[in-house]
Amino acid sequence: DARVTQTPRHKVTEMGQEVTMRCQPILGHNTVFWYRQTMMQGLELLAYFRNRAPLDDSGMPKDRFSAEMPDATLATLKIQPSEPRDSAVYFCASGPGTSGGVVQETQYFGPGTRLLVL
Amino acid sequence: AQTVTQSQPEMSVQEAETVTLSCTYDTSESDYYLFWYKQPPSRQMILVIRQEAYKQQNATENRFSVNFQKAAKSFSLKISDSQLGDAAMYFCAYRSRFGETSGSRLTFGEGTQLTVNP
Repeated sequence: DARVTQTPRHKVTEMGQEVTMRCQPILGHNTVFWYRQTMMQGLELLAYFRNRAPLDDSGMPKDRFSAEMPDATLATLKIQPSEPRDSAVYFCASGPGTSGGVVQETQYFGPGTRLLVL
Repeated sequence: AQTVTQSQPEMSVQEAETVTLSCTYDTSESDYYLFWYKQPPSRQMILVIRQEAYKQQNATENRFSVNFQKAAKSFSLKISDSQLGDAAMYFCAYRSRFGETSGSRLTFGEGTQLTVNP
C-alpha cells in the first residue's frame, strides 16, 4: 500500500529556531506539493515540484521558507527563523504528474506535520 | 481564478441515514476535475471521490456519490448509510485539467464538519 510519508508528525519549537519537515513521495510520482492548513486561511498551496524542479512557489513566504528536493525520494520544507504565526499543519502530497500537458490522476496526501511555534 | 464555496460549516446525520454536503465553484474553464477529500481527527487528507467535468455521469464510490451539475457549477456529495467512521471534515476541491502549474493546483473550499450521531 503506497503512501506519502512525512516526518516529524509533531514538532514543538521556540520562536527563532529552524524547522525542517521531510516528505517521502510515493515511489514513481514525479510531482510533489507542500500545503499549509490553518484555521484562519484553510488549505493553502505553498510550493509545487515536478521532476525535482520547483514550478510554483508563489504561495511561500520567501524570506523564511525554503523548499527543496535533494532527490526523487525526499522533499524538504524549511522555516528559518520560525515564528508563532507559522504554527499550522503542513501537508505533503504527491502525484504522477502530467502527460501531454494534461494533469494525470490525483494528489495523494501524507499525514501532515503539526507544527507549534511558541 | 477559481473559487470553491462550501456553505455548510457543520452538518449532522444519524447513523444509517443519508446526508448531502453542498459545494459550489466558480470557473471560466470548461474542463477540470472536482474532488471530495475527507479529513478525520488524525488530520490526514483522504481522497473520497473525484469527478471529471467532461463526464456527464455522476461518480460513485460505494456509499459515496456525487450530484454534478455543470451548468449550475454545483458538486454535492451524498453519503448513504452513514457510519460513525464517516465523521470528519469534508473538503471540496477543484483542479484544472490542463497546464503545467495552474493545472496541478488544488483549490479547496472551507470545509464542512460532519458529525454522525449513534
